[in-house]
Amino acid sequence: DAKTTQPPSMDCAEGRAANLPCNHSTISGNEYVYWYRQIHSQGPQYIIHGLKNNETNEMASLIITEDRKSSTLILPHATLRDTAVYYCIVKGGGGTSYGKLTFGQGTILTVHP
Amino acid sequence: DAGVTQSPTHLIKTRGQQVTLRCSPKSGHDTVSWYQQALGQGPQFIFQYYEEEERQRGNFPDRFSGHQFPNYSSELNVNALLLGDSALYLCASSLYGGPTDTQYFGPGTRLTVL
Repeated sequence: DAKTTQPPSMDCAEGRAANLPCNHSTISGNEYVYWYRQIHSQGPQYIIHGLKNNETNEMASLIITEDRKSSTLILPHATLRDTAVYYCIVKGGGGTSYGKLTFGQGTILTVHP
Repeated sequence: DAGVTQSPTHLIKTRGQQVTLRCSPKSGHDTVSWYQQALGQGPQFIFQYYEEEERQRGNFPDRFSGHQFPNYSSELNVNALLLGDSALYLCASSLYGGPTDTQYFGPGTRLTVL
């Protein structure tokens, strides 16, 4: 699976959009970009995933660049409850790495009042 | 619709003992993956079970073993516990096959080895 790079920490004001970047320059054609978040000592929560098109669900939007080498997770109106560690993960759709999620250090997002 | 459940929530063991952790997958899921998360680190993949067989394994010693039952629930066993095995153990379930198999995580079991 391709390696991802995320900033270690970010801040955001409550009510504003939080834009979390992720670089995955070695991503290959059949690999998906997944985003999870983890609130302190809880299990990771699935947020969204995509292959090459932008995706949106009730939690967030995922913007993937045309060359697929980077992506941005957007929380449109951040709340204090969005304070968490956010993980960007690239996972293959087949092959020996099919099942495994490889977590990095993630981005600690702190939402301020 | 129940999500992924794990038991127990917390566990305290001593070095050398053995431990069994349990996981019930989300309704409709047939695959279970286990992860270990040490304090301050991201989760690390231990192994994945599908059709009652270990399908993929991470870089963990043989002291870590698992089992999947016909109802898709799973157990993680750790023998000869070491202090370094203290961690949050996470179970994730998914539906096997297709281009993606989104994994949904349970709340975890906090294991402390003294």
